[in-house]
Amino acid sequence: DAKTTQPPSMDCAEGRAANLPCNHSTISGNEYVYWYRQIHSQGPQYIIHGLKNNETNEMASLIITEDRKSSTLILPHATLRDTAVYYCIVRDTDKLIFGTGTRLQVFP
Amino acid sequence: KAGVTQTPRYLIKTRGQQVTLSCSPISGHRSVSWYQQTPGQGLQFLFEYFSETQRNKGNFPGRFSGRQFSNSRSEMNVSTLELGDSALYLCASSLGRGYTDTQYFGPGTRLTVL
Repeated sequence: DAKTTQPPSMDCAEGRAANLPCNHSTISGNEYVYWYRQIHSQGPQYIIHGLKNNETNEMASLIITEDRKSSTLILPHATLRDTAVYYCIVRDTDKLIFGTGTRLQVFP
Repeated sequence: KAGVTQTPRYLIKTRGQQVTLSCSPISGHRSVSWYQQTPGQGLQFLFEYFSETQRNKGNFPGRFSGRQFSNSRSEMNVSTLELGDSALYLCASSLGRGYTDTQYFGPGTRLTVL
């Protein structure tokens, strides 16, 4: 079973920041938080991952709380192309266990 | 670098037939994982291959099998197809050193069983 809880859907205005929350209250010390997104039945696209420090790359920022029980994925300037299902995954094995994700709708 | 490629992209089969799907990983990647995505069950892990050996297996019946070749390319086979096997089959590749290695997904093969 997935170890994460995400809201089923969120809306965001184009050009604004999209903040996607994820709860992982049972995370253990060696488990990483990974984020993927899937645009309309394409293959999931890797976004970012982290262990305990905040991370940033060209796509997004990942903020992990100090107790590591939750995290937030931030898309700083959402565009219509960011409309997708976003999956937060807690990982300590070679396999990815996907939950149901958050469907982010970016509107003009 | 070229991404993960999967062939064919679309496939239509009838019940009872068998099917073989192919996955070519990113150059230098030695691990290939397979996933099934259906509307009802979401994305589920099938199995993972590393250096031609199955390293992990999900909870799927024995009709689902796979293999990996010495060049890291992988195939999965589904025998005696059932209607419920209609799904998007995804493969992902990684360096294979462990769970901190990022998996990169291909575009998937859409299988329809009639």
